[in-house]
Amino acid sequence: EVQLVESGGGLVQPGGSLRLSCEVSGFTFSNYEMNWVRQAPGKGPEWVSYIGRSGSNIYYAASVKGRFTISRDNAKNSLFLQMNSLRGDDTAVYYCVREAAWRPDSGSYYHYWGQGTLVTVSS
Amino acid sequence: DIQMTQSPSSLSASIGDRVTISCRASQSISNYLNWYQQKPGKPPKILIYAASTLQSGVPSRFSGSGSGTDFTLTISSLQAEDFATYYCQQSSSSPPLTFGGGTKVEIK
Repeated sequence: EVQLVESGGGLVQPGGSLRLSCEVSGFTFSNYEMNWVRQAPGKGPEWVSYIGRSGSNIYYAASVKGRFTISRDNAKNSLFLQMNSLRGDDTAVYYCVREAAWRPDSGSYYHYWGQGTLVTVSS
Repeated sequence: DIQMTQSPSSLSASIGDRVTISCRASQSISNYLNWYQQKPGKPPKILIYAASTLQSGVPSRFSGSGSGTDFTLTISSLQAEDFATYYCQQSSSSPPLTFGGGTKVEIK
């Protein structure tokens, strides 16, 4: 059974830092591209960051670029998101998401999601 | 980035109703369009990918159609468990896989 379990969320003051972790099981982690997607209260999902299978390809949303850093440890089946200089609009549930492999006849999609970890940025 | 626009943003319907939700892309995305269902307190769940391919385990009352810029999600006969928020998402240009704004389906 595929499982993704996020941890590391919590309450942090503006300007502070948090490190989110996602431990996965039930599949060969190194074979899949991974993402962080967040969802602010009452809003739709917002993609945050992407990392390729080996960790060499990395992308960020404009809203977090320069503040957040995604990484992975394939030996430990873990995905990370280091979040610095946090702002109020970073308040959201953060999901670890496994992306389906892109195929020319079907594209890609977010196949498996964790249950999320809540990050609250407030003084 | 490709922008995705859904309509309506919300709708009220009764059990047994046929429901349609629209999604429009800001440029052609071929058939690279996904649909998700999200219930309160849960992550989104993939329903349909490649515009019309039903994910394994999803009831056949859900269907998707369209190509290019205009897409539709149809629920042929709304059931109690279908009251949720639905999102479209493009995978033509990635990353990111861009979401639409969502359509909340409520009980009439």
